[in-house]
Amino acid sequence: GNSVTQMEGPVTLSEEAFLTINCTYTATGYPSLFWYVQYPGEGLQLLLKATKADDKGSNKGFEATYRKETTSFHLEKGSVQVSDSAVYFCALSEKSNTGKLIFGQGTTLQVKP
Amino acid sequence: DTAVSQTPKYLVTQMGNDKSIKCEQNLGHDTMYWYKQDSKKFLKIMFSYNNKELIINETVPNRFSPKSPDKAHLNLHINSLELGDSAVYFCASSQLMGGSYEQYFGPGTRLTVT
Repeated sequence: GNSVTQMEGPVTLSEEAFLTINCTYTATGYPSLFWYVQYPGEGLQLLLKATKADDKGSNKGFEATYRKETTSFHLEKGSVQVSDSAVYFCALSEKSNTGKLIFGQGTTLQVKP
Repeated sequence: DTAVSQTPKYLVTQMGNDKSIKCEQNLGHDTMYWYKQDSKKFLKIMFSYNNKELIINETVPNRFSPKSPDKAHLNLHINSLELGDSAVYFCASSQLMGGSYEQYFGPGTRLTVT
């Protein structure tokens, strides 16, 4: 079945450091890919998305590129801030008639001043 | 304006009780979902309704029963609560027609069963 695997956390960085959170997926067909962010005590917010191979999603300084050849959708940011501390989820949608989302296990990011 | 809202935000109850969680979306979406997030933050789909019709029913105990009175509302009723039901429950919505597939989440309901 379809699945998403993210790098284990927690990830601890100093402010202004470069961030990479790895995400790989297994899917039949051509899923849509998403990154969601969950700040402490809150629900999930859509951070960025990509719907086909080679698409680059970007938002708030975060970027991720849909790589079909490596089945990856790694999240990057050039300079993290303390306010980026949160849990990040990679997810795929099967583009079926249900729109079901399959999530990775989440990666906790802690940014220290 | 809150796009996807859930009530209550916190729910503390004893084993064996029956409780409900309500969800409403004002985005005009045609599909709504319930997810369960466990203590390790893992998220798993439970149910989904499209225009009041059940389209996803994952392997969930039949003590859990969703109800969708209209396409803007999806409620979750849980009978005979057990300790293992303690989790955060998230409602979400999306617009499947048109194929955007992105989902918008509510703030969550933290259920604690004692």
